[in-house]
Amino acid sequence: RKEVEQDPGPFNVPEGATVAFNCTYSNSASQSFFWYRQDCRKEPKLLMSVYSSGNEDGRFTAQLNRASQYISLLIRDSKLSDSATYLCVVNGKLGGTSYGKLTFGQGTILTVHP
Amino acid sequence: SQTIHQWPATLVQPVGSPLSLECTVEGTSNPNLYWYRQAAGRGLQLLFYSVGIGQISSEVPQNLSASRPQDRQFILSSKKLLLSDSGFYLCAYRAPGSQPQHFGDGTRLSIL
Repeated sequence: RKEVEQDPGPFNVPEGATVAFNCTYSNSASQSFFWYRQDCRKEPKLLMSVYSSGNEDGRFTAQLNRASQYISLLIRDSKLSDSATYLCVVNGKLGGTSYGKLTFGQGTILTVHP
Repeated sequence: SQTIHQWPATLVQPVGSPLSLECTVEGTSNPNLYWYRQAAGRGLQLLFYSVGIGQISSEVPQNLSASRPQDRQFILSSKKLLLSDSGFYLCAYRAPGSQPQHFGDGTRLSIL
């Protein structure tokens, strides 16, 4: 089983749609969770951290379910500029130390069309 | 503010030639530093990470090496490049007390 698994998509949605991405992780000791966004041929950029209580940033809502080891990202009112690959990211842990190592999912491709 | 610089942006090298990619961080001290590779259409693979000057940990056996001669400088090297070394190389840092990593612009390396 992969450490971080995502549905690769692609998701093709019209402007204004609501779209949700899911992600599962295998390491129950993971403590930090993030969503990154990567545009074509560009570097990944932090979109938002994911907190246990769930958090929202404008049109974006992230949820974490530790019991199920499941993370989600909801995008409301999709814009053309939301088209990108969304990476689910979990901090790795080796023994008692993580050294800040992150494990990246393969990414989910989103295309928003007019 | 914290920034990360990575160069060059693109590089075309013949098989068997050496490689040196450089990354520097500004605005923070004692960051954790990372080198990743992303092959076309694939996810990010962690190559090396460093928690301090001269401290390098390798994640996967390969044809590459890394060095950290200064606190905020991270270098990726190879003595002889292989065709399989082609890819998008990304440097990242994590500031002390912070969790997310932040990436440089990346270097697109093509081996001919």
